[in-house]
Amino acid sequence: SQKIEQNSEALNIQEGKTATLTCNYTNYSPAYLQWYRQDPGRGPVFLLLIRENEKEKRKERLKVTFDTTLKQSLFHITASQPADSATYLCALDNRNSGYSTLTFGKGTMLLVSP
Amino acid sequence: DTAVSQTPKYLVTQMGNDKSIKCEQNLGHDTMYWYKQDSKKFLKIMFSYNNKELIINETVPNRFSPKSPDKAHLNLHINSLELGDSAVYFCASSQGTRAQFFGPGTRLTVL
Repeated sequence: SQKIEQNSEALNIQEGKTATLTCNYTNYSPAYLQWYRQDPGRGPVFLLLIRENEKEKRKERLKVTFDTTLKQSLFHITASQPADSATYLCALDNRNSGYSTLTFGKGTMLLVSP
Repeated sequence: DTAVSQTPKYLVTQMGNDKSIKCEQNLGHDTMYWYKQDSKKFLKIMFSYNNKELIINETVPNRFSPKSPDKAHLNLHINSLELGDSAVYFCASSQGTRAQFFGPGTRLTVL
């Protein structure tokens, strides 16, 4: 069966360090993968999209990698700040139904301590 | 200048009632969605509309009926509400299969 797994329920790191979040998937062949940020009581906010033929994508302090052989994406936040504390969701393109929809992982809660 | 808006933000109702949630986007997107986020925070697609046509209908009870009067609006009507319907419902929109823009959510509590 299809599965998306994001690492650990919560990740605690110190301000200034690099946070690395993992998204592993099985029984998918996504054409692209997206990362979203969700703050408590709010809707998810799009951060980055990476396509299957791209190994890496960067945006300011954010970096995403996509390894279709390992079936894994890594999401890095460098020089992390307390304001980066949120839940981060990975989402895969799912074409099983004939149309493309996103299937979301459960998310990883990141807590950056000052 | 809100991109995706939903009303109401909170909805508290009794079991068996019928209720509606409205969604509007001003981004000019051609695709709109309804998601349900349960207490375990799993965000699950319910419906997807492209240019006012239903294209995705996941295994959702037929008590849930989406309606898209035009490309900018996608409403969700729920009949005979049950306790298990309590969740946060998010509307989202996108242009094709690109980034999705989410609304603020509607927290539905069924008593």
